[in-house]
Amino acid sequence: DAGVIQSPRHEVTEMGQEVTLRCKPISGHDYLFWYRQTMMRGLELLIYFNNNVPIDDSGMPEDRFSAKMPNASFSTLKIQPSEPRDSAVYFCASSFGSRGPTGELFFGEGSRLTVL
Amino acid sequence: DQQVKQNSPSLSVQEGRISILNCDYTNSMFDYFLWYKKYPAEGPTFLISISSIKDKNEDGRFTVFLNKSAKHLSLHIVPSQPGDSAVYFCAASAANSGYALNFGKGTSLLVTP
Repeated sequence: DAGVIQSPRHEVTEMGQEVTLRCKPISGHDYLFWYRQTMMRGLELLIYFNNNVPIDDSGMPEDRFSAKMPNASFSTLKIQPSEPRDSAVYFCASSFGSRGPTGELFFGEGSRLTVL
Repeated sequence: DQQVKQNSPSLSVQEGRISILNCDYTNSMFDYFLWYKKYPAEGPTFLISISSIKDKNEDGRFTVFLNKSAKHLSLHIVPSQPGDSAVYFCAASAANSGYALNFGKGTSLLVTP
């Protein structure tokens, strides 16, 4: 059975370009999270959804970042325009929790973004 | 501000010995704590967790200890194996923040033969 699937695995782009990262959560999971990993800040929560509805986007760095979840099996994280400081590994994770996402998160393999 | 802190960026241990990874937190509302393990070029994977109503949870070679008064938890790996070499992340969540996980920066463990 497939885990969380992210694409692309690697993205190299130039400053000012639009970047779209994609995620397919595990079927049946009702929570979806976007995290960013950098050396300086570790794993930061950017935004999370419950039943396709954004619950907390306080971690989104600025208006250049946006995330959508049009249905239970797909989410995107978009950066427009991209900047070199956005270079990081972006992880998508999903979980199933009736009480809340207190339990285990299942992570994808990440999308490594490099903005030149 | 980092609410979950792992102050040791790296740790090296000999095979067969005990590995102890430490984690401190600042938010007294955290009520659930987890450890994740991450290999290069892979996503983090869940290792072990503990609720704030407990002070110890054990799963095979892995034991997590929680000291709520000190706002400190630790992960013990006994005996350590070369395959345990990875980055270990401590994470915590609180009911009043929607249970979203807050992660530390990670500790890179190297187990040498």
